[in-house]
Amino acid sequence: GENVEQHPSTLSVQEGDSAVIKCTYSDSASNYFPWYKQELGKRPQLIIDIRSNVGEKKDQRIAVTLNKTAKHFSLHITETQPEDSAVYFCAAPTDSWGKFQFGAGTQVVVTP
Amino acid sequence: EPEVTQTPSHQVTQMGQEVILRCVPISNHLYFYWYRQILGQKVEFLVSFYNNEISEKSEIFDDQFSVERPDGSNFTLKIRSTKLEDSAMYFCASSEDSSRPYEQYFGPGTRLTVT
Repeated sequence: GENVEQHPSTLSVQEGDSAVIKCTYSDSASNYFPWYKQELGKRPQLIIDIRSNVGEKKDQRIAVTLNKTAKHFSLHITETQPEDSAVYFCAAPTDSWGKFQFGAGTQVVVTP
Repeated sequence: EPEVTQTPSHQVTQMGQEVILRCVPISNHLYFYWYRQILGQKVEFLVSFYNNEISEKSEIFDDQFSVERPDGSNFTLKIRSTKLEDSAMYFCASSEDSSRPYEQYFGPGTRLTVT
């Protein structure tokens, strides 16, 4: 089955700096990689995703890159703002669609 | 924008009691999921459901758990005899169709406290 490792577990950045979170996965058949943002006490929200046929996807200040050879994908947040403070989870599907293995999460703290 | 809804937001129950957690997925979605998140830990997959049957379940989803779609809108998770370790946030999620089964949208969660 899929095994997803996420690093770092905590990330403290100054407002305006960039944040990068990395996940590695084990199942080479995985073909879809979402990132979720979870604010304290709230639901995980899908913020960006990437499919295995592309190497990078951007949405304003957020981007995700995928390296299929190395089996890792990363979330990049540029020009961080205090409202970016949250826990971010990566996920990857197992060999069965819809069954995600989540990473352990990264607590991002953006200080003004 | 349509959202997944869940009730109740918080459920307190005694060990050994049965609980039913309710979810209303997004109306045109066909795939439904339950996840749980123990406080401070990662989100864990429990079960996926499509076409009125379980598609996949994890090792967590043992005989104490069951899911049902009793009507055209609700999707429920039942825990037959709750244990202390069932205390967690339970999230329902749904996704649209077979071309986009992975784009899962989560409900606000039900916090289950077993005493």
